[in-house]
Amino acid sequence: QVQLVESGGGVVKPGGSLGLSCAAAGFSFSDFYMSWVRQAPGKGLEWLAYIGGSGTTIYYADSARGRFTISRDNAKNSLYLQMNFLRADDTAMYYCARSVTSYYYYAMDVWGQGTTVTVSS
Amino acid sequence: SSELTQDPAVSAALGQTVRITCQGDSLRSYYASWFQQKPGQAPVLVIYGNNARPSGIPARFSGSSSGNTASLTITGAQAEDEADYFCNSRDSSGNLVVFGGGTKLTVL
Repeated sequence: QVQLVESGGGVVKPGGSLGLSCAAAGFSFSDFYMSWVRQAPGKGLEWLAYIGGSGTTIYYADSARGRFTISRDNAKNSLYLQMNFLRADDTAMYYCARSVTSYYYYAMDVWGQGTTVTVSS
Repeated sequence: SSELTQDPAVSAALGQTVRITCQGDSLRSYYASWFQQKPGQAPVLVIYGNNARPSGIPARFSGSSSGNTASLTITGAQAEDEADYFCNSRDSSGNLVVFGGGTKLTVL
């Protein structure tokens, strides 16, 4: 069935780096835009970045631009998020999500279960 | 970028119709989508592109918009609809994505 499974979360010190992965199954991965969305404890959803099916279209939220890098490997049906210069306020659950888009909207129709990132000394 | 504003909390009696709203300048140009999130679970898409329902979402969920305000309506709220609801849309540039702060729905 259609499934997304994130991995790579953990505890990291401020200023450190972490790489997240998301394994996709059950659909034609390269046909879909993909997104990373995070949720700090007790807070709302925050979109971080999306990448087009071929990997050439990439956009970042202000909070992610310059520190985070989204990428994908369609041969491996995998999405990635490389996070550098991590701060305490990056502590959150990180979700990867399949996207459904048109000119008029951008939605996420399949979500992984999330992976937890904790930034603490 | 632009912001989307939601009321923090809404309540409804069992079986009542409840409307959750989302306001923002980008909604004058782009459609809202809506996500339901229950405690400890990943979000679930319930409405996209203003008023399209993904497969498996009950027909009691519908969306609409007027001006800078998008609405999610639950016609006949059920106990299992108690959850946080988030709206999102493209931002005013069309390139970025924004989420509202979320509305906690309590079904009494």
